[in-house]
Amino acid sequence: DSGVTQTPKHLITATGQRVTLRCSPRSGDLSVYWYQQSLDQGLQFLIQYYNGEERAKGNILERFSAQQFPDLHSELNLSSLELGDSALYFCASSLPAFRSSGANVLTFGAGSRLTVL
Amino acid sequence: GESVGLHLPTLSVQEGDNSIINCAYSNSASDYFIWYKQESGKGPQFIIDIRSNMDKRQGQRVTVLLNKTVKHLSLQIAATQPGDSAVYFCAENWPGTASKLTFGTGTRLQVTL
Repeated sequence: DSGVTQTPKHLITATGQRVTLRCSPRSGDLSVYWYQQSLDQGLQFLIQYYNGEERAKGNILERFSAQQFPDLHSELNLSSLELGDSALYFCASSLPAFRSSGANVLTFGAGSRLTVL
Repeated sequence: GESVGLHLPTLSVQEGDNSIINCAYSNSASDYFIWYKQESGKGPQFIIDIRSNMDKRQGQRVTVLLNKTVKHLSLQIAATQPGDSAVYFCAENWPGTASKLTFGTGTRLQVTL
């Protein structure tokens, strides 16, 4: 157990629908990151939050949004789902490098597998 | 969190042999690099990292080599074991206050008995 909790583990839904993926970071970590892992794209960075505020954006579609709450858990909302959105969605957390003396090592959760039919 | 099914290059190694997994990175300004291991059903797991001002770093059974001239990174696993079978990703950190990791494509390591 990495300490990063993601729910649900598996989700099957239909095109056009909206889903919410949830992540609880490791205790003490302030930053949360979302990554998408699909068959042909590897691990793609979506978005990062630090202490409730958005810090960096990657290749996140406008149909997707995220937020980090005061208790530091985060949610990734995926709407108007398309077949191509089927993927593994990983949440990771870290204590940012500027708050530590070492590398910004991300700790990943086990992922949420989304299947859009 | 399965990575099975990813279209990845595969390295097959016999148990007991040494494995070398290679990675090319893109940003010459990256300040450190991390190797992750992803086993079937799990998320990526940290193995070892190396700062850009180093050429080599050793861990337990693993060694990472960094060649900044050609922007190349390698992970060497000594005496490969069946439990080493997984997908291995290198990641580079782009510096800045909102630093984030950019992952490579990944390599699947298959350990044969």
